[in-house]
Amino acid sequence: GQQVMQIPQYQHVQEGEDFTTYCNSSTTLSNIQWYKQRPGGHPVFLIQLVKSGEVKKQKRLTFQFGEAKKNSSLHITATQTTDVGTYFCAGLAGYALNFGKGTSLLVTP
Amino acid sequence: NAGVTQTPKFRVLKTGQSMTLLCAQDMNHEYMYWYRQDPGMGLRLIHYSVGEGTTAKGEVPDGYNVSRLKKQNFLLGLESAAPSQTSVYFCASSYGTGGYNSPLHFGNGTRLTVT
Repeated sequence: GQQVMQIPQYQHVQEGEDFTTYCNSSTTLSNIQWYKQRPGGHPVFLIQLVKSGEVKKQKRLTFQFGEAKKNSSLHITATQTTDVGTYFCAGLAGYALNFGKGTSLLVTP
Repeated sequence: NAGVTQTPKFRVLKTGQSMTLLCAQDMNHEYMYWYRQDPGMGLRLIHYSVGEGTTAKGEVPDGYNVSRLKKQNFLLGLESAAPSQTSVYFCASSYGTGGYNSPLHFGNGTRLTVT
């Protein structure tokens, strides 16, 4: 079945540094979604990418969908302490989303 | 709107006991899901439903049963709890199939410990 892999598993940065997490699927994706989970919280939808090569920005966050629609990335410019949490990518498998294991981001002031 | 509501928030069970986790959504969503989250394992799909009266198995269905008698409710049952079922359980719902223009809305989770 489809597998969604994310790297790195953990990332610890100083506030102001950049951060990138990568997502790779074993199969071609129709689209990919990104979620953020704050410590102790629940996953919250961030964005969906649909088109090959698509790039979307949300303030300091930049999301990319690969040309082959098998990989994606999330880049955060100049991290802030409010960025702390786990970032998940997810791809459709049948009728439900298949989530990667997530990248946990820790930001030190 | 309350969104997706899960009860209870916390529960401790002894091995062999049974319980039902309740999930209710007020967004008139067709699709509902149960995921479990364990450290380092991400979110794994247990069961899901594509509409009232339907259920289907996900990635890790063993030891769980579900029912969707009403569109707004999705129940997850543990018939005989095992320590391996210690986890945080998230219910989610979406307007359409969780893939296209239909993000998942998650509840706040149920933290279950089986001793």
